[in-house]
Amino acid sequence: EDQVTQSPEALRLQEGESSSLNCSYTVSGLRGLFWYRQDPGKGPEFLFTLYSAGEEKEKERLKATLTKKESFLHITAPKPEDSATYLCAADSNQAGTALIFGKGTTLSVSS
Amino acid sequence: KAGVTQTPRYLIKTRGQQVTLSCSPISGHRSVSWYQQTPGQGLQFLFEYFSETQRNKGNFPGRFSGRQFSNSRSEMNVSTLELGDSALYLCASSYRTGSNSPLHFGNGTRLTVT
Repeated sequence: EDQVTQSPEALRLQEGESSSLNCSYTVSGLRGLFWYRQDPGKGPEFLFTLYSAGEEKEKERLKATLTKKESFLHITAPKPEDSATYLCAADSNQAGTALIFGKGTTLSVSS
Repeated sequence: KAGVTQTPRYLIKTRGQQVTLSCSPISGHRSVSWYQQTPGQGLQFLFEYFSETQRNKGNFPGRFSGRQFSNSRSEMNVSTLELGDSALYLCASSYRTGSNSPLHFGNGTRLTVT
């Protein structure tokens, strides 16, 4: 069965304290790995798509990487406005057009 | 460009009633997907429509149904509501299906069943 697991569930950082969020996946035929950001009371906002192991993508203080078993979202020198829940999702051959989401990591950055 | 619009934002219903949620996709997007989000289960796929045809359906009971209109707008319906149906229902649109076309989500409809 396809599965996506995110860790940690919650992460508290001081402003400027870099860290990484983990997304482990077990899927049949990964077609794409997505990262989303969700703010309270809002829908998920698309950040990145990764397609193959070794691929990296960056946007401001965020960098997403992909291996054959997991993806990492690296946050460099975070600011309070980076506080949100970060979701990863897998697009697999088995799930058809459905994305399989992890339960998310809630990041809190304090100044 | 306007984003995905979901109405209403909040709903309170009584167990046994039915409810209809509406979604207007981004202009030009022909694929609309629906997801249920709960604290315990996270986001779970309900169904996807493309050009008025249901392309895929998740593992939810038949009480959950949907449709898509010729202008790509979509509705989902839940009949005989149960307390466990309380959740945030998210609609997402994309230009086409597949990883090359990421989902763009609306802000959801918060359904509370009492």
